[in-house]
Amino acid sequence: AQSVTQLDSHVSVSEGTPVLLRCNYSSSYSPSLFWYVQHPNKGLQLLLKYTSAATLVKGINGFEAEFKKSETSFHLTKPSAHMSDAAEYFCVVSDRNTGGFKTIFGAGTRLFVKA
Amino acid sequence: GAGVSQSPSNKVTEKGKDVELRCDPISGHTALYWYRQSLGQGLEFLIYFQGNSAPDKSGLPSDRFSAERTGGSVSTLTIQRTQQEDSAVYLCASGWRSNQPQHFGDGTRLSIL
Repeated sequence: AQSVTQLDSHVSVSEGTPVLLRCNYSSSYSPSLFWYVQHPNKGLQLLLKYTSAATLVKGINGFEAEFKKSETSFHLTKPSAHMSDAAEYFCVVSDRNTGGFKTIFGAGTRLFVKA
Repeated sequence: GAGVSQSPSNKVTEKGKDVELRCDPISGHTALYWYRQSLGQGLEFLIYFQGNSAPDKSGLPSDRFSAERTGGSVSTLTIQRTQQEDSAVYLCASGWRSNQPQHFGDGTRLSIL
């Protein structure tokens, strides 16, 4: 069975400093992993995805994530935070399950960016 | 191109009334999902449709909740005899398969008075 844990419910950074949002997962097979961002009063938007190709995945808005199988992690990073990055971020794992695939969403990490 | 469209964007209704929420997925997407998001919370899976297969209803919280997807396209989520705890944002998403990215609508904000 798969699961996903976002290790921080809230992260606060200053504008221009690096962002690190942590995600650990468990999976029985070879998972697909995703990060989504949700701005206030909006739906979720895909930032990036890992689907068994390169382990370092680049996404939109300067975000990237590295798949580390040995650590079962898929942390999201950005070198320099911008005020517009303030939002809720969700780590998602999708893996084989009885009859198909099952997708699990993490609880989310709210990112605050200080001027 | 057109994304996932949900209507209405806001719905206020009295306790005990029935409500219908609509989702227009991206054309051609075979997978369609409904989620519920309570204030400041993560996503709660409700139901998943994949092509012509029987839907995965394992997330529906009670028999007051039901959903259908007509012709493999538009979906309607129905909540009967609404309760105050049903107040939340209801999000719809569509995609190609369940291990592929999901494309979300902006949600319907449901308020039960």
